[in-house]
Amino acid sequence: DIVMTQSPDSLAVSLGERATINCKSSQSILYSSNKKNYLSWYQQKPGQPPKLLIYWASTRESGVPDRFSGSGSGTDFTLTISSLQAEDVAVYFCQQYYSTPYTFGQGTKLEIK
Amino acid sequence: QITLKESGPTLVKPTQTLTLTCTVSGFSLSARGVGVGWIRQPPGKALEWLGIIFWDDDDRYRPSLKNRLTITKENSKNQVVLTMTNMDPVDTATYYCAHRREDMASYFDYWGQGTLVTVSS
Repeated sequence: DIVMTQSPDSLAVSLGERATINCKSSQSILYSSNKKNYLSWYQQKPGQPPKLLIYWASTRESGVPDRFSGSGSGTDFTLTISSLQAEDVAVYFCQQYYSTPYTFGQGTKLEIK
Repeated sequence: QITLKESGPTLVKPTQTLTLTCTVSGFSLSARGVGVGWIRQPPGKALEWLGIIFWDDDDRYRPSLKNRLTITKENSKNQVVLTMTNMDPVDTATYYCAHRREDMASYFDYWGQGTLVTVSS
Protein backbone atom coordinates (compact mmCIF):
# COMPACT_ATOMS: atom_id res chain seq x y z
CA ASP A 1 0.00 0.00 0.00
CA ILE A 2 1.10 3.57 -0.65
CA VAL A 3 1.32 5.40 2.67
CA MET A 4 0.37 9.08 2.67
CA THR A 5 1.88 11.15 5.47
CA GLN A 6 0.73 14.70 6.11
CA SER A 7 2.50 17.38 8.09
CA PRO A 8 1.83 19.01 10.36
CA ASP A 9 -1.00 17.21 12.16
CA SER A 10 -2.39 20.59 13.21
CA LEU A 11 -1.74 24.14 12.24
CA ALA A 12 -2.81 27.53 13.60
CA VAL A 13 -2.56 30.50 11.25
CA SER A 14 -3.67 34.11 11.60
CA LEU A 15 -6.45 35.42 9.39
CA GLY A 16 -5.04 36.71 6.13
CA GLU A 17 -1.82 34.76 6.49
CA ARG A 18 -0.57 31.83 4.40
CA ALA A 19 -1.25 28.24 5.42
CA THR A 20 0.83 25.39 4.04
CA ILE A 21 0.06 21.70 4.41
CA ASN A 22 2.41 19.00 3.21
CA CYS A 23 1.70 15.48 1.99
CA LYS A 24 4.33 12.85 1.27
CA SER A 25 3.72 9.54 -0.45
CA SER A 26 5.77 6.42 0.29
CA GLN A 27 6.38 5.96 -3.44
CA SER A 28 6.07 8.11 -6.50
CA ILE A 29 2.52 8.76 -7.67
CA LEU A 30 3.64 10.35 -10.91
CA TYR A 31 2.54 8.23 -13.85
CA SER A 32 5.29 8.41 -16.44
CA SER A 33 3.13 7.83 -19.50
CA ASN A 34 0.91 10.88 -18.97
CA LYS A 35 3.15 12.85 -16.57
CA LYS A 36 0.26 13.29 -14.14
CA ASN A 37 0.46 13.13 -10.37
CA TYR A 38 -2.40 11.06 -9.00
CA LEU A 39 -3.09 13.19 -5.95
CA SER A 40 -6.15 15.01 -4.67
CA TRP A 41 -6.91 17.27 -1.70
CA TYR A 42 -10.11 17.47 0.31
CA GLN A 43 -11.50 19.83 2.91
CA GLN A 44 -13.74 18.48 5.65
CA LYS A 45 -15.71 20.61 8.07
CA PRO A 46 -17.35 19.15 11.21
CA GLY A 47 -20.39 17.04 10.46
CA GLN A 48 -19.88 17.30 6.70
CA PRO A 49 -18.51 14.97 4.04
CA PRO A 50 -15.17 15.79 2.45
CA LYS A 51 -15.19 18.36 -0.31
CA LEU A 52 -12.89 18.04 -3.31
CA LEU A 53 -10.50 20.99 -3.59
CA ILE A 54 -7.68 19.89 -5.90
CA TYR A 55 -7.05 16.96 -8.24
CA TRP A 56 -4.12 15.99 -10.45
CA ALA A 57 -2.08 17.61 -7.65
CA SER A 58 -2.68 21.14 -8.91
CA THR A 59 -6.02 21.40 -10.73
CA ARG A 60 -8.49 23.42 -8.72
CA GLU A 61 -12.03 22.08 -8.61
CA SER A 62 -14.68 24.34 -10.09
CA GLY A 63 -16.01 26.79 -7.52
CA VAL A 64 -13.04 26.49 -5.18
CA PRO A 65 -11.60 29.91 -4.32
CA ASP A 66 -8.31 30.70 -6.00
CA ARG A 67 -6.60 31.21 -2.65
CA PHE A 68 -6.35 27.40 -2.62
CA SER A 69 -3.54 25.95 -4.70
CA GLY A 70 -1.78 22.62 -4.99
CA SER A 71 1.78 21.89 -6.02
CA GLY A 72 4.40 19.18 -6.01
CA SER A 73 5.35 16.11 -7.95
CA GLY A 74 6.53 12.56 -7.44
CA THR A 75 6.34 12.02 -3.70
CA ASP A 76 6.09 15.51 -2.19
CA PHE A 77 3.03 17.70 -2.40
CA THR A 78 1.73 20.89 -0.85
CA LEU A 79 -1.64 22.52 -0.37
CA THR A 80 -1.39 26.26 0.11
CA ILE A 81 -4.05 28.67 1.25
CA SER A 82 -2.68 32.07 0.32
CA SER A 83 -4.75 34.20 2.66
CA LEU A 84 -6.60 32.32 5.39
CA GLN A 85 -10.27 33.10 5.83
CA ALA A 86 -12.42 32.11 8.79
CA GLU A 87 -14.39 29.67 6.68
CA ASP A 88 -11.22 27.71 5.89
CA VAL A 89 -11.12 26.22 9.38
CA ALA A 90 -11.38 22.50 8.67
CA VAL A 91 -9.45 19.26 8.42
CA TYR A 92 -7.60 18.72 5.16
CA PHE A 93 -6.80 15.34 3.64
CA CYS A 94 -4.66 14.29 0.70
CA GLN A 95 -5.46 11.13 -1.27
CA GLN A 96 -3.49 9.13 -3.82
CA TYR A 97 -5.38 7.44 -6.62
CA TYR A 98 -2.32 6.03 -8.39
CA SER A 99 -3.02 2.48 -7.27
CA THR A 100 -5.43 0.52 -5.14
CA PRO A 101 -5.94 0.51 -2.28
CA TYR A 102 -6.42 4.25 -2.66
CA THR A 103 -5.13 5.85 0.50
CA PHE A 104 -5.61 9.07 2.41
CA GLY A 105 -3.32 11.03 4.65
CA GLN A 106 -4.11 11.19 8.35
CA GLY A 107 -5.44 14.72 8.06
CA THR A 108 -4.27 18.19 9.08
CA LYS A 109 -6.45 20.27 11.35
CA LEU A 110 -6.32 23.96 10.43
CA GLU A 111 -7.34 26.54 13.01
CA ILE A 112 -7.22 30.30 13.43
CA LYS A 113 -4.44 31.69 15.58
CA GLN B 1 -26.93 17.69 -10.50
CA ILE B 2 -25.18 14.68 -9.01
CA THR B 3 -26.31 13.46 -5.61
CA LEU B 4 -25.60 10.37 -3.55
CA LYS B 5 -27.36 9.24 -0.40
CA GLU B 6 -26.44 6.40 1.94
CA SER B 7 -29.05 4.42 3.82
CA GLY B 8 -29.04 1.45 6.14
CA PRO B 9 -28.94 0.47 9.78
CA THR B 10 -27.37 2.76 12.34
CA LEU B 11 -26.68 -0.05 14.79
CA VAL B 12 -25.47 -3.58 14.15
CA LYS B 13 -24.35 -6.28 16.54
CA PRO B 14 -20.91 -7.87 16.44
CA THR B 15 -20.68 -10.75 13.93
CA GLN B 16 -23.70 -9.44 12.01
CA THR B 17 -23.63 -8.44 8.35
CA LEU B 18 -23.94 -4.77 7.39
CA THR B 19 -25.78 -3.81 4.23
CA LEU B 20 -25.68 -0.18 3.10
CA THR B 21 -27.33 1.25 0.01
CA CYS B 22 -26.12 4.26 -1.92
CA THR B 23 -28.87 5.77 -4.06
CA VAL B 24 -27.55 8.05 -6.78
CA SER B 25 -29.02 10.60 -9.14
CA GLY B 26 -27.72 12.85 -11.87
CA PHE B 27 -25.61 10.20 -13.57
CA SER B 28 -25.90 6.67 -14.87
CA LEU B 29 -24.14 3.81 -13.09
CA SER B 30 -23.61 2.16 -16.48
CA ALA B 31 -22.07 5.16 -18.23
CA ARG B 32 -18.53 4.46 -19.40
CA GLY B 33 -15.93 5.60 -16.90
CA VAL B 34 -18.28 5.94 -13.95
CA GLY B 35 -17.25 4.61 -10.59
CA VAL B 36 -18.78 4.72 -7.11
CA GLY B 37 -16.54 4.24 -4.14
CA TRP B 38 -17.11 3.56 -0.47
CA ILE B 39 -15.03 5.33 2.15
CA ARG B 40 -15.41 5.21 5.91
CA GLN B 41 -14.26 7.40 8.78
CA PRO B 42 -14.15 6.24 12.40
CA PRO B 43 -15.14 9.02 14.80
CA GLY B 44 -12.39 11.61 14.98
CA LYS B 45 -10.12 9.65 12.65
CA ALA B 46 -8.93 9.63 9.07
CA LEU B 47 -10.68 8.54 5.92
CA GLU B 48 -10.27 4.92 4.84
CA TRP B 49 -11.05 3.78 1.30
CA LEU B 50 -12.98 0.50 1.27
CA GLY B 51 -13.67 -0.30 -2.34
CA ILE B 52 -15.09 0.81 -5.66
CA ILE B 53 -17.34 -0.51 -8.39
CA PHE B 54 -17.06 0.63 -11.98
CA TRP B 55 -19.55 1.05 -14.79
CA ASP B 56 -18.68 -2.36 -16.23
CA ASP B 57 -19.15 -4.15 -12.84
CA ASP B 58 -15.41 -4.43 -12.31
CA ASP B 59 -14.51 -3.80 -8.70
CA ARG B 60 -11.58 -3.28 -6.37
CA TYR B 61 -11.37 -3.76 -2.62
CA ARG B 62 -9.12 -2.86 0.26
CA PRO B 63 -7.03 -6.03 0.64
CA SER B 64 -7.46 -6.20 4.42
CA LEU B 65 -11.25 -6.27 3.95
CA LYS B 66 -11.49 -8.24 0.74
CA ASN B 67 -12.80 -11.38 2.45
CA ARG B 68 -15.57 -9.45 4.19
CA LEU B 69 -16.60 -6.88 1.61
CA THR B 70 -18.79 -7.01 -1.48
CA ILE B 71 -19.93 -4.07 -3.59
CA THR B 72 -22.65 -4.54 -6.18
CA LYS B 73 -24.90 -2.26 -8.18
CA GLU B 74 -28.31 -2.27 -9.75
CA ASN B 75 -28.32 0.14 -12.63
CA SER B 76 -32.08 0.27 -13.07
CA LYS B 77 -32.54 1.29 -9.44
CA ASN B 78 -29.59 3.71 -9.43
CA GLN B 79 -28.24 1.93 -6.39
CA VAL B 80 -24.89 0.68 -5.20
CA VAL B 81 -24.87 -1.78 -2.31
CA LEU B 82 -22.08 -2.42 0.17
CA THR B 83 -22.16 -5.64 2.16
CA MET B 84 -19.71 -6.22 4.99
CA THR B 85 -19.77 -9.45 6.95
CA ASN B 86 -18.68 -10.27 10.49
CA MET B 87 -18.93 -6.73 11.82
CA ASP B 88 -16.77 -5.76 14.78
CA PRO B 89 -16.77 -2.71 17.07
CA VAL B 90 -13.68 -1.42 15.22
CA ASP B 91 -15.89 -1.09 12.14
CA THR B 92 -17.84 1.68 13.87
CA ALA B 93 -17.59 4.62 11.49
CA THR B 94 -19.39 7.01 9.20
CA TYR B 95 -19.70 5.31 5.85
CA TYR B 96 -19.68 7.45 2.71
CA CYS B 97 -20.32 6.65 -0.92
CA ALA B 98 -18.75 8.92 -3.49
CA HIS B 99 -18.74 9.51 -7.25
CA ARG B 100 -15.61 9.14 -9.33
CA ARG B 101 -15.52 11.73 -12.10
CA GLU B 102 -12.94 10.47 -14.55
CA ASP B 103 -12.16 7.17 -16.13
CA MET B 104 -8.82 5.87 -14.80
CA ALA B 105 -8.74 8.55 -12.08
CA SER B 106 -10.44 7.74 -8.81
CA TYR B 107 -10.66 11.05 -7.06
CA PHE B 108 -14.13 11.74 -5.72
CA ASP B 109 -15.99 14.88 -6.70
CA TYR B 110 -19.37 14.21 -5.09
CA TRP B 111 -19.98 12.56 -1.75
CA GLY B 112 -23.04 11.45 0.14
CA GLN B 113 -23.71 12.94 3.55
CA GLY B 114 -22.59 9.71 5.17
CA THR B 115 -24.27 7.36 7.58
CA LEU B 116 -22.93 6.56 11.02
CA VAL B 117 -22.87 2.85 11.75
CA THR B 118 -22.25 1.75 15.33
CA VAL B 119 -21.24 -1.82 16.07
CA SER B 120 -22.23 -2.79 19.58
CA SER B 121 -24.01 -5.56 21.42
